[in-house]
Amino acid sequence: KAGVTQTPRYLIKTRGQQVTLSCSPISGHRSVSWYQQTPGQGLQFLFEYFSETQRNKGNFPGRFSGRQFSNSRSEMNVSTLELGDSALYLCASSFPQETQYFGPGTRLLVL
Amino acid sequence: QKEVEQNSGPLSVPEGAIASLNCTYSDRGSQSFFWYRQYSGKSPELIMFIYSNGDKEDGRFTAQLNKASQYVSLLIRDSQPSDSATYLCAVKGSGGYNKLIFGAGTRLAVHP
Repeated sequence: KAGVTQTPRYLIKTRGQQVTLSCSPISGHRSVSWYQQTPGQGLQFLFEYFSETQRNKGNFPGRFSGRQFSNSRSEMNVSTLELGDSALYLCASSFPQETQYFGPGTRLLVL
Repeated sequence: QKEVEQNSGPLSVPEGAIASLNCTYSDRGSQSFFWYRQYSGKSPELIMFIYSNGDKEDGRFTAQLNKASQYVSLLIRDSQPSDSATYLCAVKGSGGYNKLIFGAGTRLAVHP
C-alpha cells in the first residue's frame, strides 16, 4: 500500500498570505489528523477529520482550519500567516482509530 | 506539569548496548501509548504501540507500560548507529478519537 502523501513538500510564504496544504491518507484509512511541529513547541495536535467531520480540535487560533473530502483526502488552511507559523506540518492517517501513520510533511517558511 | 514528559537527552550509548528511553504521562485515563522514531529532517515513524500493562516485544524493541505509575518505556537491544534518532513518546488521551499528545522527544546517539 502506498503511504500517506502530502503536497507540497516545501512552501515559502510571506506574512499575511494564506496557504493550503493537502494530505492523501493511506488507501482505506478514513481518519486524518494534522499536527504542527516546531523546535520550540514540539509536535502539537491541530485537528482530526473522520468521514468529512471534524471530530477533535487542538488549541490553535481560528486561522487554522481544515476539511475532509468524501475520498478521505484532507486539506488544511492557514490564513493571515504569521512568522510563528513556520513549521513542519504533518498529517497522519488511521483506520479509523488507533495507530497513526505520518506523511512526509510540508515544511512551511513564513518570511 | 507537561502532559507527556521525556528526558531530552542526548542519551549516548555504545554500539551493542541496551538503550532505555522513558516517558511519563499525566492523564490517568489514557489507554493507548505509542513510540515513534524521527530522523533529522524526516517525519515520525511508528515503532511500537502498547495498550496493556507489562511488556511488548518486537524484534530488538521492547515497550513497557505501567499504568499505575503512569510510565512507559522503550528498550532497544543491541543498539546500532542507525538507531541514532529522536524517539517520541505519544499518548492518546482519555477523550477518545485520535488526538495524540507527544513528549518533546529523547535524542539517542549510538556511537561505534
